[in-house]
Amino acid sequence: GQNIDQPTEMTATEGAIVQINCTYQTSGFNGLFWYQQHAGEAPTFLSYNVLDGLEEKGRFSSFLSRSKGYSYLLLKELQMKDSASYLCAVLDSNYQLIWGAGTKLIIKP
Amino acid sequence: GAVVSQHPSWVICKSGTSVKIECRSLDFQATTMFWYRQFPKQSLMLMATSNEGSKATYEQGVEKDKFLINHASLTLSTLTVTSAHPEDSSFYICSASGMEDYNEQFFGPGTRLTVL
Repeated sequence: GQNIDQPTEMTATEGAIVQINCTYQTSGFNGLFWYQQHAGEAPTFLSYNVLDGLEEKGRFSSFLSRSKGYSYLLLKELQMKDSASYLCAVLDSNYQLIWGAGTKLIIKP
Repeated sequence: GAVVSQHPSWVICKSGTSVKIECRSLDFQATTMFWYRQFPKQSLMLMATSNEGSKATYEQGVEKDKFLINHASLTLSTLTVTSAHPEDSSFYICSASGMEDYNEQFFGPGTRLTVL
């Protein structure tokens, strides 16, 4: 079956750095997405990786290793507004998006 | 960037009534639209995928006759929850794709449905 694993919840301090991991086993791979979702709102796009390596976009970076079925989202200089759920999703061979359960990130002052 | 709207943002209805939710892509043509349902503290659950002018493809366990999807144009898809019951209360989110090679999905703001 298809499976995406990410931690349920993480806590970090304002101004610090946090890494949210995601591992996947899917039927085929056409890219991995990270989305941010604040409570009661729809997800918003953060990043897309289809090749191995690190993609940096401001305070957020996303890394992919296809051979290991592994990705992480790195958030630097954490701000209180970064408190949200972070969803990892993989596009499988049928171009269907398979969603992880999300990681709830709690930022403390 | 691509903008997707949903209407209404929230709706409260009595059990047994039907509710229609609209999803529009405002500045691009969406070849595919997706409907998701999300219960509190859970991830998104794909309900169905629809392509313009063709019947929707429903995920296993989703009742076609209860959740009617119409994708009449490249900018509009509708989801009708027929004979709604309290267990249908949820956050319904649509997304649309069609702009990028990698099929990025652009999400609408969601519709919170409460069935009394």
